[in-house]
Amino acid sequence: NAGVTQTPKFQVLKTGQSMTLQCAQDMNHEYMSWYRQDPGMGLRLIHYSVGAGITDQGEVPNGYNVSRSTTEDFPLRLLSAAPSQTSVYFCASSYLRGGTEAFFGQGTRLTVV
Amino acid sequence: QQQVKQSPQSLIVQKGGISIINCAYENTAFDYFPWYQQFPGKGPALLIAIRPDVSEKKEGRFTISFNKSAKQFSLHIMDSQPGDSATYFCAASWGAQKLVFGQGTRLTINP
Repeated sequence: NAGVTQTPKFQVLKTGQSMTLQCAQDMNHEYMSWYRQDPGMGLRLIHYSVGAGITDQGEVPNGYNVSRSTTEDFPLRLLSAAPSQTSVYFCASSYLRGGTEAFFGQGTRLTVV
Repeated sequence: QQQVKQSPQSLIVQKGGISIINCAYENTAFDYFPWYQQFPGKGPALLIAIRPDVSEKKEGRFTISFNKSAKQFSLHIMDSQPGDSATYFCAASWGAQKLVFGQGTRLTINP
């Protein structure tokens, strides 16, 4: 099993550009989420999904869009990149019931110049 | 608003010593408290987790101590080894998996 796969691993964008961070999981998990990791701030929830066709906002959703058309995929879109979105992004998946292990991808390091 | 506060930000421990990382939470609805370990360039991975109906959970050299009345929990790493050098995150959630993370602790074990 591949687990949670994120692409790309590294990306440099210019301010105002748009892009999509890809996330795929092969564990048939209902719950998927996106976090950003910044020094001294831990991981902060951007958006999450409890199943195909259902998404909701997390703690820091501004500037990001998500969709969930299949159980496996949960892409994160940056609409108009800003330097404040320079961060490491992690996708995670788990079973929907509480208290189960969340599996994380390897992360995407994004730099916006 | 930081719902889970973690300390210290960094910690240096000698090989064979005990590493202790502390977390405090605010939301009494939290019902699941995991600790994640992250190595450079990797995603976080679950290390150990506890529910509030127990005060302690031990897995090998790793122990979570939980104090429900004080709304605090801590990670103890016994006989710390250089391979334990990593960043550790405490987290908390309620219901279905909206994990809230602490700020992280960078642990260095000196040989």
